[in-house]
Amino acid sequence: DAKTTQPPSMDCAEGRAANLPCNHSTISGNEYVYWYRQIHSQGPQYIIHGLKNNETNEMASLIITEDRKSSTLILPHATLRDTAVYYCIVRGEGGSEKLVFGKGTKLTVNP
Amino acid sequence: DTAVSQTPKYLVTQMGNDKSIKCEQNLGHDTMYWYKQDSKKFLKIMFSYNNKELIINETVPNRFSPKSPDKAHLNLHINSLELGDSAVYFCASSRRTGALSSRQFFGPGTRLTVL
Repeated sequence: DAKTTQPPSMDCAEGRAANLPCNHSTISGNEYVYWYRQIHSQGPQYIIHGLKNNETNEMASLIITEDRKSSTLILPHATLRDTAVYYCIVRGEGGSEKLVFGKGTKLTVNP
Repeated sequence: DTAVSQTPKYLVTQMGNDKSIKCEQNLGHDTMYWYKQDSKKFLKIMFSYNNKELIINETVPNRFSPKSPDKAHLNLHINSLELGDSAVYFCASSRRTGALSSRQFFGPGTRLTVL
């Protein structure tokens, strides 16, 4: 079972920032927060991950609260191509651990 | 160049048949996975192999048999196909250990339809 809770859907205007929340109140100290997205009919795509510090890459920013019980994925300037289901996943290190996908958040970017 | 490729992209077959889906990755990764995404869009892991060794085996019917001839390939063979096997199957790969082991690269998927 997924260890995270996300809103089922969100809308965002094109060009504006999309802020996608995720609750992971039972996260343990050695578990990372990962974000993936799945654009319609495609394979999931890795976006970003973090442990406790905020992270930024060319796709997005990840803000993790100090208590690590929640996080927010930020797409700074959403485009129509960012319309997808976004998954927040909590997982420890090690290849024997599974990525458990929940229901995710369906983000719709509107023109 | 495609990092993780799957063939075929679409597969339509009759109940009771045996079919295989092939997966190849050119990323030099040690670990490969098979996921199933059903009609309700839930994505669940089925198997994980590391250097041809099975490391994750979820509760999957033994009609499903993964085969890894080398670390760049992980094929999925399905015997006696059933209607409930209809789904999209995704292959993925990653490094073996560390936080980056969760950075998995997914293939484009194979849509299996059992009639």
